[in-house]
Amino acid sequence: GAVVSQHPSRVICKSGTSVKIECRSLDFQATTMFWYRQFPKQSLMLMATSNEGSKATYEQGVEKDKFLINHASLTLSTLTVTSAHPEDSSFYICSAPTGGGYGYTFGSGTRLTVV
Amino acid sequence: GENVEQHPSTLSVQEGDSAVIKCTYSDSASNYFPWYKQELGKRPQLIIDIRSNVGEKKDQRIAVTLNKTAKHFSLHITETQPEDSAVYFCAADAGGTSYGKLTFGQGTILTVHP
Repeated sequence: GAVVSQHPSRVICKSGTSVKIECRSLDFQATTMFWYRQFPKQSLMLMATSNEGSKATYEQGVEKDKFLINHASLTLSTLTVTSAHPEDSSFYICSAPTGGGYGYTFGSGTRLTVV
Repeated sequence: GENVEQHPSTLSVQEGDSAVIKCTYSDSASNYFPWYKQELGKRPQLIIDIRSNVGEKKDQRIAVTLNKTAKHFSLHITETQPEDSAVYFCAADAGGTSYGKLTFGQGTILTVHP
């Protein structure tokens, strides 16, 4: 089945630094990748949609200069949290449609802790 | 945009009982409704889904019903087991140009007591 590999699974960084999260489709081409954020004990909220070869689309309230998304190839999308602050600490997870109807596959998620 | 409301936020049942979780959605264009089970720190796991042209779908102990007119859908788990304990999310996908963009409900913490 379609698999999205997400790395790292956990990362701790200092306030003010940047962190890159990668989502790679292993056996299919992910022309679109959705990035979600989930705060503790809350639901998943869509942050942005990335499309291969074009600019990402951000949801209302998400700072595009803070959350940089790159989708340079059909198998790799990255989310970079720039100048991270403790309030950015969250579970970040990507999802890609697998085609052939309404199927999606989720990455395994990244637990970001900013100290 | 789409808004999905999910109830209850917590649900506690005895092993063997049934559990029902309900969701409503606002966008009549939504046409795909998946249900996910999420364990702590893990990715959401699809447990069942339903499309807007179907009113009910069942998979062993799990069933989903959809009322398009009323814009609500429900998850039914029968003969609950302790391993069913998790957080459950409903979601809606408007399809078309928004295909794949899921709007999630707030989640239901299900606890099944042995």
